[in-house]
Amino acid sequence: DIQMTQSPSSLSASVGDRVTITCQASQDISNYLNWYQQKPGKAPKLLIYDASNLETGVPSRFSGSGSGTDFTFTISSLQPEDIATYYCQQYDNLPMYTFGQGTKLEIK
Amino acid sequence: EVQLVQSGAEVKKPGESLRISCKGSGYSFTSYWISWVRQMPGKGLEWMGRIDPSDSYTNYSPSFQGHVTISADKSISTAYLQWSSLKASDTAMYYCARSGKSSLSNWFDPWGQGTLVTVSS
Repeated sequence: DIQMTQSPSSLSASVGDRVTITCQASQDISNYLNWYQQKPGKAPKLLIYDASNLETGVPSRFSGSGSGTDFTFTISSLQPEDIATYYCQQYDNLPMYTFGQGTKLEIK
Repeated sequence: EVQLVQSGAEVKKPGESLRISCKGSGYSFTSYWISWVRQMPGKGLEWMGRIDPSDSYTNYSPSFQGHVTISADKSISTAYLQWSSLKASDTAMYYCARSGKSSLSNWFDPWGQGTLVTVSS
């Protein structure tokens, strides 16, 4: 099974800060990596697909990069509405999907 | 608008059976997989399994195989998740989500609003 290790598990930052979350796969997954945002009490929402592609309608302050085993998710300028938990998810070994354990982002 | 609408919250006793639903609209229901994802209280996301509504072919995570059953009725664009005998440990929020049939571009979008299942004596 492919394991996904996300870090940090929680993060506190100020409005306007650049925020970075990393996700490491236990084996090469090419670019088969997606990122989701889950706001409190809500369903997850797709932000980034195939490691670096911004989903339609998602603000450009969100971005993703990486391939192979190491991936990065970045918010270039943190906004109050970005408070959420963020998850990475791999789909290299279909039909199995694996999520990272999540990163809870709070405002300092 | 593409959307998935799930059935409402359930409160059940241990040992009872349950089926929750996920109705798709705004797209061709048989052209995409429907997956189910569990989120236990205060925890992360766990993929449970998926179904191809065109032929009801299913895949399950080994963690959930044998514990739940996923089915679909394509005539009413609805997928189901069911338990024959609930346990307290089944208490969680359950989400359905759509994914494409390509192995090269595969992500969950959209998601249903979630169904909260509470199992308590």
